[in-house]
Amino acid sequence: GAGVSQSPSNKVTEKGKDVELRCDPISGHTALYWYRQSLGQGLEFLIYFQGNSAPDKSGLPSDRFSAERTGGSVSTLTIQRTQQEDSAVYLCASSRGNGEAFFGQGTRLTVV
Amino acid sequence: GEDVEQSLFLSVREGDSSVINCTYTDSSSTYLYWYKQEPGAGLQLLTYIFSNMDMKQDQRLTVLLNKKDKHLSLRIADTQTGDSAIYFCAERLYGNNRLAFGKGNQVVVIP
Repeated sequence: GAGVSQSPSNKVTEKGKDVELRCDPISGHTALYWYRQSLGQGLEFLIYFQGNSAPDKSGLPSDRFSAERTGGSVSTLTIQRTQQEDSAVYLCASSRGNGEAFFGQGTRLTVV
Repeated sequence: GEDVEQSLFLSVREGDSSVINCTYTDSSSTYLYWYKQEPGAGLQLLTYIFSNMDMKQDQRLTVLLNKKDKHLSLRIADTQTGDSAIYFCAERLYGNNRLAFGKGNQVVVIP
């Protein structure tokens, strides 16, 4: 596609429920990133996929968070048993290897 | 380390120049970036500089890189109201290619 697409754009969920956030990267981009941006804060790195290499999961805040990237393209970030502190904007970006990263519009997650 | 630090707030009059500063800690970073985030929007890549360059100019934007001091700056000439946003600097970490971001600098342009 023309840009990085994320869905849904907004998600409200009850505490304790699981959520899945989706990212469609730019076609041909081998690298995919997930970041989290809490209100008024900078970007917190979550996970990074590069081609067929093992993902860098070092930013995932707890074992409730997981992500996968199927077929080297679409990625899903899953948060299990959501907590209120998970409320944030989740941003996905893609790039050609070590080139500049392009961001999607983000998914605003609200846990009530 | 991958701490990227930015000052938090800048107010500037329309037509003046804005300078946003950033310091980083990873001396082996390969690329350094400036992103712009308008309210309710994602991050838009503004410009980037390769680590072997000292300066890059792109229309109203000038990026200066001081590798010795690990200091990056973005100068916006003739600042416009549409430049009001949060500006993030980011470094691409050598070895793992991860992007590390600063906390952002909010720029408010006063008409």
